[in-house]
Amino acid sequence: DAGVIQSPRHEVTEMGQEVTLRCKPISGHDYLFWYRQTMMRGLELLIYFNNNVPIDDSGMPEDRFSAKMPNASFSTLKIQPSEPRDSAVYFCASSNRDRWENIQYFGAGTRLSVL
Amino acid sequence: GQNIDQPTEMTATEGAIVQINCTYQTSGFNGLFWYQQHAGEAPTFLSYNVLDGLEEKGRFSSFLSRSKGYSYLLLKELQMKDSASYLCAVRDSNYQLIWGAGTKLIIKP
Repeated sequence: DAGVIQSPRHEVTEMGQEVTLRCKPISGHDYLFWYRQTMMRGLELLIYFNNNVPIDDSGMPEDRFSAKMPNASFSTLKIQPSEPRDSAVYFCASSNRDRWENIQYFGAGTRLSVL
Repeated sequence: GQNIDQPTEMTATEGAIVQINCTYQTSGFNGLFWYQQHAGEAPTFLSYNVLDGLEEKGRFSSFLSRSKGYSYLLLKELQMKDSASYLCAVRDSNYQLIWGAGTKLIIKP
């Protein structure tokens, strides 16, 4: 299995620009999670989907952030407009509830720098 | 509120044994996870405990006491490649993972 695939790996943009991060979960997994990781705040859950439906977006910082999952094999996290404080590593993870441990497997992450 | 505590940083010597502790207070409990994260990389799954006791996996073992809200990760025969952050996470009653801040483990030759 290819694992969770994220793109791009690195993104450098200027304040005010739109940023779109992409994720392909592991085939057959029914949960998808978006996390943000910073030194100050650690790993924070932003939003998660079950069977392509957003279940909990209470971690999304503000209206500038939005996430979609149009089908079982693709999700996007969009920031518009971006701000310097959005600089972080964004991880996507997926899991399979049919497995009793329901382990979350992480993608390699997107390192976002907003100048 | 929900809280997970782990030491910020630990140092150990190559070939030795180290124990990383994790205490938690969460609304409900549906399992505890340990992940390893090397600098600049993604967290990778190490172990899962849902019942009290010790789970052993090669050089790594994880222990859980639900009554004490306590877990530890034991690493034996430390190797330089074990230098990483170790994240403790608890699945609560809403089936959400609550993450600790991580313990940075430094291995010295």
